[in-house]
Amino acid sequence: GENVEQHPSTLSVQEGDSAVIKCTYSDSASNYFPWYKQELGKRPQLIIDIRSNVGEKKDQRIAVTLNKTAKHFSLHITETQPEDSAVYFCAASIRDIPTFGRGTSLIVHP
Amino acid sequence: GAVVSQHPSRVICKSGTSVKIECRSLDFQATTMFWYRQFPKQSLMLMATSNEGSKATYEQGVEKDKFLINHASLTLSTLTVTSAHPEDSSFYICSARGEKRKYGNTIYFGEGSWLTVV
Repeated sequence: GENVEQHPSTLSVQEGDSAVIKCTYSDSASNYFPWYKQELGKRPQLIIDIRSNVGEKKDQRIAVTLNKTAKHFSLHITETQPEDSAVYFCAASIRDIPTFGRGTSLIVHP
Repeated sequence: GAVVSQHPSRVICKSGTSVKIECRSLDFQATTMFWYRQFPKQSLMLMATSNEGSKATYEQGVEKDKFLINHASLTLSTLTVTSAHPEDSSFYICSARGEKRKYGNTIYFGEGSWLTVV
């Protein structure tokens, strides 16, 4: 089955800095890559996603890039704010079934 | 947006008893529902995938007789943990996906249920 690796497990940045979270996947059949944000004690929420026919997608301060050849994709958050602090999960989907990475705990210090 | 409600949010049960967790899609029809288990500071481990009206597909290593999943309607799926043991204590979370034409590939998560077996 699909295997998704996510790094780093913890990321600490100063407010205003950028944050980058990277994921790799193993199965080239994966064609949909969502990113979820899970705040403490709350449900995961979709923040951005990308399909395999697109290399980059941006939504305000958040962007995702996909390199199909290398089988890796990344989440970029610019101008980080304390409210960005949460656990972020990447996922790779095959036949509409997502496999999640282990999560990255992002801490933004004011 | 699409809302998924999960109940109960917290449950404590005695070892050997069974406990049922419900997952409802409130404002859309969920063609597929997923059940996950999440350990503290760890990822979402898929337990099973269920489609309305058909048997759930369990992931390798998940005992289907212990974790009974029923997806009886397009808005309700239930997970029953049978003969619960303390090692079953965990955070269980469901997610649902609607019609692809309307919702694409997006899956929506429930609030999760904390199960403690004593």
